Amino acid sequence: SAVISQKPSRDICQRGTSLTIQCQVDSQVTMMFWYRQQPGQSLTLIATANQGSEATYESGFVIDKFPISRPNLTFSTLTVSNLSPEDSSIYLCSVTDSGANVLTFGAGSRLTVL
Amino acid sequence: GNSVTQMEGPVTLSEEAFLTINCTYTATGYPSLFWYVQYPGEGLQLLLKATKADDKGSNKGFEATYRKETTSFHLEKGSVQVSDSAVYFCALTTPGNQFYFGTGTSLTVIP
Repeated sequence: SAVISQKPSRDICQRGTSLTIQCQVDSQVTMMFWYRQQPGQSLTLIATANQGSEATYESGFVIDKFPISRPNLTFSTLTVSNLSPEDSSIYLCSVTDSGANVLTFGAGSRLTVL
Repeated sequence: GNSVTQMEGPVTLSEEAFLTINCTYTATGYPSLFWYVQYPGEGLQLLLKATKADDKGSNKGFEATYRKETTSFHLEKGSVQVSDSAVYFCALTTPGNQFYFGTGTSLTVIP
């Protein structure tokens, strides 16, 4: 299965700033997914990122707040903008393994906003 | 719509105890069902899966059977170890759709 590297693994940010999370996959994948895992809650899909096109955002998530880049088939970034304490979460990058219909996840980026 | 409901935790067991974590689902179409595990400080890892009714997924001593009649996919292990301490997520997907996750069940196994 694909191996996903995410960084930073954790960060503490000030209110009003932005954080960019990087996701690198060891193989070419068509779709990459960004999830948010709020404390004590389940995973919520933020958006799906396809190479060469705009990301598709789920209800409740907007591009201005969560801009995503997908410059090639192995890399994506998620930026969380204008941070507030409510953005404190774990952000997870994932991909589907080719033909297996299984999600593989990165280790996650734990964000704390003060 | 699609959704997953799993038993709330936290669950605390003694080593070698029997584990059951309940999971029920609602889905349109024919879902594939999954259990993912998240160890402390790590991302989610696939534990097991089942793609059709009556399939049994198994891995590392864990098992779950896809029960269409009760729309359930309960996770079981006969004898838990301290190293099984983690958060367990039940999930489903249907063709062409996203994955839907339960809220997670935290398991702590004490020696």
